[in-house]
Amino acid sequence: AQSVTQLDSHVSVSEGTPVLLRCNYSSSYSPSLFWYVQHPNKGLQLLLKYTSAATLVKGINGFEAEFKKSETSFHLTKPSAHMSDAAEYFCVVTSDTGGFKTIFGAGTRLFVKA
Amino acid sequence: DAGVIQSPRHEVTEMGQEVTLRCKPISGHNSLFWYRQTMMRGLELLIYFNNNVPIDDSGMPEDRFSAKMPNASFSTLKIQPSEPRDSAVYFCASSLGVGGFRQETQYFGPGTRLLVL
Repeated sequence: AQSVTQLDSHVSVSEGTPVLLRCNYSSSYSPSLFWYVQHPNKGLQLLLKYTSAATLVKGINGFEAEFKKSETSFHLTKPSAHMSDAAEYFCVVTSDTGGFKTIFGAGTRLFVKA
Repeated sequence: DAGVIQSPRHEVTEMGQEVTLRCKPISGHNSLFWYRQTMMRGLELLIYFNNNVPIDDSGMPEDRFSAKMPNASFSTLKIQPSEPRDSAVYFCASSLGVGGFRQETQYFGPGTRLLVL
């Protein structure tokens, strides 16, 4: 069975300060892990993905995430938040053993204060 | 590339009416996915196609929902009859579909916001 838990429903940071969005997963098989961002009234856009290569994954707009198998985590970070980062972020786990499955986390809404 | 195109962007209908949502995937993509997003249940995969063939429709909530992909550039999601609990945002996504689904990036359309009164 697979599951994804985003540990915070809301995160608020000040512009220029670091961002940390937390994601824990559970998967019986070797998963791929993704972070997507959704701006208001828009579709989802890929930020980055982990597919069993390098555990530290760099994405767009300065975001990165580290796959930690021992902690079953895939937290998303950014050194310095920008106002345009305000959006909802989804952690996603997929597997294709026994049939393709894709599970979305509940989402974390990021607020960025000026 | 225009990206994934969905129409309509908004739909308001009355309970019992038929609703048809449309999707045009990115040219050259072989896989297409339909998702539903609600406050209560988040994002759920309803059905996906590979090379126009439905692979897994286990996420389709009930027989009122049906999806087709008559060719590589068009798919529909139909709800008949519609009910208020079907109100949600419906997303279509596509991916290359040539490797394993697991590792592929899905490209999402802007969604169709459906309200059933």
